[in-house]
Amino acid sequence: EDQVTQSPEALRLQEGESSSLNCSYTVSGLRGLFWYRQDPGKGPEFLFTLYSAGEEKEKERLKATLTKKESFLHITAPKPEDSATYLCAVHWGAQKLVFGQGTRLTINP
Amino acid sequence: ETGVTQSPTHLIKTRGQQVTLRCSSQSGHNTVSWYQQALGQGPQFIFQYYREEENGRGNFPPRFSGLQFPNYSSELNVNALELDDSALYLCASSLDGGLNIQYFGAGTRLSVL
Repeated sequence: EDQVTQSPEALRLQEGESSSLNCSYTVSGLRGLFWYRQDPGKGPEFLFTLYSAGEEKEKERLKATLTKKESFLHITAPKPEDSATYLCAVHWGAQKLVFGQGTRLTINP
Repeated sequence: ETGVTQSPTHLIKTRGQQVTLRCSSQSGHNTVSWYQQALGQGPQFIFQYYREEENGRGNFPPRFSGLQFPNYSSELNVNALELDDSALYLCASSLDGGLNIQYFGAGTRLSVL
């Protein structure tokens, strides 16, 4: 069964402590992989789209990378305002976005 | 702000009732997708509407139905509500369906008692 799995489920870091979030997928015929950020009580906010293995995208303290089986969201020197749930989603088929369960990231000051 | 607005923000219904949720898409977008997000889970695809036609459906029963209007706004209707329907319902708009970025609204929180 096509599946998107994110790890870890939750991650606590100290301010300035860099780390990576993982998104692995088993869908066939990947058409694109998306990263979103979701704050409590709000809808997901678009961060990045990656389309092919080897591609990388950066925005402020975040960098997303893609291989044939997984994607990583690297966060460098995070700040408390980076605390959120990070969702990855795979575009599979004609229109369907399949989401992982998310990683809940907490950055302590 | 994405320009995608959803109403109402919160709703409480009882089991067996019917509910209609509304979504206004971002200006210029002709595609609306609906998702259900249970607490602590990622969003699950319900269906997508492109230029007023259903353009794909997830694993949801027929009591979940939708509509898209000529101005590309959309409704999600759920009949015969069940307790498990309690969730955050998200609407996302995009241009021409397909691979384009989907921009989400803030969602409607539905509680079924």
